Amino acid sequence: AAGVIQSPRHLIKEKRETATLKCYPIPRHDTVYWYQQGPGQDPQFLISFYEKMQSDKGSIPDRFSAQQFSDYHSELNMSSLELGDSALYFCASSSPTYGSRNIQYFGAGTRLSVL
Amino acid sequence: DQQVKQNSPSLSVQEGRISILNCDYTNSMFDYFLWYKKYPAEGPTFLISISSIKDKNEDGRFTVFLNKSAKHLSLHIVPSQPGDSAVYFCASRRQGGSEKLVFGKGTKLTVNP
Repeated sequence: AAGVIQSPRHLIKEKRETATLKCYPIPRHDTVYWYQQGPGQDPQFLISFYEKMQSDKGSIPDRFSAQQFSDYHSELNMSSLELGDSALYFCASSSPTYGSRNIQYFGAGTRLSVL
Repeated sequence: DQQVKQNSPSLSVQEGRISILNCDYTNSMFDYFLWYKKYPAEGPTFLISISSIKDKNEDGRFTVFLNKSAKHLSLHIVPSQPGDSAVYFCASRRQGGSEKLVFGKGTKLTVNP
């Protein structure tokens, strides 16, 4: 079965550079979520989109922005990168099917290293 | 403020025995709970979930128990297998409210052959 696809898997950037992370949800899933997991930490919710509209916002820095496109893929744009942005970034998607919306399916993540 | 707590960072059990992973939550608005398993270099994989209207949900070797009055849930794996060795995350959310999942810090399970 198709899963959530994230690209790239690994990304190395310098301080003050920008980065773009991409997420392709499971086909027919309409909601995308972004999470950040620092070393030894639990995943922290950043932002979510439902039908291309922002549906919820967590502890996402103003330097970050995201959007969901007409094909339901999503991109997380990160500017003025800081050392503390080094983390695993997960994307998840959920289905519009009644009873399944509560379950979020995760991609393999993008490991961002800021040097 | 950690709203979802997994107080055991690690757990080691013998193959064939039962593994019990625990999770406590503080937010009484949470009414849906999930367990995820995570291998290194992979994303969290959904295992099993439970709604607050139930106290038990079973799927093969995995059973989740919910004690709402104690704000406690547990994941039982029986029999445990070496392939179950991974980090297990407990997550909670509010149905009809914010869709975000709130995670615990995880418990690393090691199943010894």
